[in-house]
Amino acid sequence: EVVLTQSPATLSLSPGERATLSCRASQNVYTFLAWYQQKPGQAPRLLIYDASNRATGIPARFSGSGSGTDFTLTISSLEPEDSAVYYCQQRKSWPPITFGQGTRLEIK
Amino acid sequence: QLLLQESGPGLVRPSETLSLTCTVSGASISSTTYHWGWIRQTPGKGLEWIGSIYFTGGTYDSPSLKSRVTMSVDTSKNQFSLLLSSVTAADTGVYYCARPNVVEWVFDFWGRGIQVTVSS
Repeated sequence: EVVLTQSPATLSLSPGERATLSCRASQNVYTFLAWYQQKPGQAPRLLIYDASNRATGIPARFSGSGSGTDFTLTISSLEPEDSAVYYCQQRKSWPPITFGQGTRLEIK
Repeated sequence: QLLLQESGPGLVRPSETLSLTCTVSGASISSTTYHWGWIRQTPGKGLEWIGSIYFTGGTYDSPSLKSRVTMSVDTSKNQFSLLLSSVTAADTGVYYCARPNVVEWVFDFWGRGIQVTVSS
């Protein structure tokens, strides 16, 4: 099973700042990595698939990069509504599909 | 627009079987080349993929839950279902049904989720 480790656990930034979230895989997942955003009481929302492709309707301030075992989600200029928990998920080695434990992003 | 809605009991007793149904609207359950999925979110493990089913009935299960999971599909009702047997408190959480739309095993469409509590 591929273990995904996200860091930091919590990130606190101000509007307009740049956020950098990390996801590290326990083995090579090539670029088969996705990112989701989850707000309280809501289902996860797909942001990025296959490391760097934005899902439909996702603002351009969200971008993904990386390959192999190290991946990054960048939010270029934070908005208040970006406050959420962000998860990575791999689809290279399944079953099982696995998720990271999440990074909580707080907007000051 | 594809909509998914989970339904089932919110309270299940320990050792019993959890039974959930996902009703699909906005598209035929048979109209996709992707697998329909079940994902849960528990306090202990966070987001966890339970398994996925194709409209023909073919399934993939998480190895850690495989012995307790049964999935089925009813194309006439545009629904698919999950049975999880021998539940314990560790199975308490929010259960989601979901489906990919761009690439397999990446979930674009999600239901709102249903809270299931395992308690006597």
